[in-house]
Amino acid sequence: SAVISQKPSRDICQRGTSLTIQCQVDSQVTMMFWYRQQPGQSLTLIATANQGSEATYESGFVIDKFPISRPNLTFSTLTVSNMSPEDSSIYLCSVDRRGRGKVAPDTQYFGPGTRLTVL
Amino acid sequence: GENVEQHPSTLSVQEGDSAVIKCTYSDSASNYFPWYKQELGKGPQLIIDIRSNVGEKKDQRIAVTLNKTAKHFSLHITETQPEDSAVYFCAARADSGAGSYQLTFGKGTKLSVIP
Repeated sequence: SAVISQKPSRDICQRGTSLTIQCQVDSQVTMMFWYRQQPGQSLTLIATANQGSEATYESGFVIDKFPISRPNLTFSTLTVSNMSPEDSSIYLCSVDRRGRGKVAPDTQYFGPGTRLTVL
Repeated sequence: GENVEQHPSTLSVQEGDSAVIKCTYSDSASNYFPWYKQELGKGPQLIIDIRSNVGEKKDQRIAVTLNKTAKHFSLHITETQPEDSAVYFCAARADSGAGSYQLTFGKGTKLSVIP
């Protein structure tokens, strides 16, 4: 398995501000993902973050709103920019333990999540 | 793209009884089916998964069955305990060919085990 930590675990923010969420993994991983889980809902993929390349965003999510960094194989950040109350959600970091150079995905693990409330 | 339907949305069982959660998927290319358990205030935790070359898999009180022809898979929890109370998510992924290699999740089932 993978040990994934996220910071902060929760935050309350004002409308119009930005929050950067950090994700740290205990070992090197090729694929990292960022998900959003709105209250009482399922998980929605925001983007896939590969080290050394631009993040790939899913339909409905744009880089200006959710910039992502992936400086190395154990760390990533997601920024929620210019927040509004509609951004209130749990943001989850996830990793795939596939080997380097392999296309086929492996087991996917999730971090504990960051609970964001925007006032 | 893939679409995963999950039923029921809520399920209450008496402690010691069995619980069954069912999911259907639409993409015949999907060949990997994990189940996640999410407790309140925590991230989803993988509890069991199955690949399409297997029809059933068991891990102690938890089992998953897969019917590729009908495109449905189910989670079975026997001898339920209060600590089984959580939200359970099924997911599907196509791990080969032109698959998206991304998990598509069901909407979740809130399981309550009544002591």
